Amino acid sequence: ILNVEQSPQSLHVQEGDSTNFTCSFPSSNFYALHWYRWETAKSPEALFVMTLNGDEKKKGRISATLNTKEGYSYLYIKGSQPEDSATYLCASPTSNTGKLIFGQGTTLQVKP
Amino acid sequence: DAMVIQNPRYQVTQFGKPVTLSCSQTLNHNVMYWYQQKSSQAPKLLFHYYDKDFNNEADTPDNFQSRRPNTSFCFLDIRSPGLGDAAMYLCATSRISTGYGEQYFGPGTRLTVT
Repeated sequence: ILNVEQSPQSLHVQEGDSTNFTCSFPSSNFYALHWYRWETAKSPEALFVMTLNGDEKKKGRISATLNTKEGYSYLYIKGSQPEDSATYLCASPTSNTGKLIFGQGTTLQVKP
Repeated sequence: DAMVIQNPRYQVTQFGKPVTLSCSQTLNHNVMYWYQQKSSQAPKLLFHYYDKDFNNEADTPDNFQSRRPNTSFCFLDIRSPGLGDAAMYLCATSRISTGYGEQYFGPGTRLTVT
C-alpha cells in the first residue's frame, strides 16, 4: 500500500520568512509527485506535477524539488506572504493512473 | 470562470436519509474523480470514471454509488448515510488518466450527518 507522509502537520511563520516542508513517498514504482495548494473555502489547485529525479520546478516564490531515489520532495516558499496561508497537499499515484494517494497536508499560517 | 462546480457547498442530512452530491465541469475532461476527506485526514479516492467506465476503489463502502450521465456531470449518492460519512467530498477532473495528469478540483461539499 502506498503511503504518502507530510511534515510538519502545521506551521506558523511571520510574513517575510522563508519556509519549507516535506513530502515522503515510497521510492519503488514511482510515477509522479503532485503538489496542490488548498486555500480555505476555495478549490485545491495544482502547483506542480513532477516526474523526473532531480527535477526542480518554480512558480513565483514557490519552488519544489524531487528525489525519487530516496522518496522525498521539498516545497519551498521564499518570503512568505499572508496570501500563502493554505494547506499544501502532496500526492502520488499507485500506478501510472490518476489514482492519487494524498498525504495529510501541511497547513501554513503566515502572520502579517 | 469556475471550471469544476460542486453543489451544494454544505449539505446536512439525517442518519439513514439518502443524499446526492453533484459535480459539473466545463473542461470537457474525460476523467472524473470523487474523494472523501475526513477531518485532519488525507483525501481518499472513492471512485473515478474514465468516460463512462466506472472504477470503484476496493475499500469504498457499498453505501456509496456514483452516476455519470454525460461528460459534464457526475453524482455521488450515499444511500444510507451514517455518522461516519460526515466529511468533505471533493470532485476532480483530469484530461488524461495517467499518473502525471494534473487534477482540477471543485471547492468540495461538506456533508454533515445528524
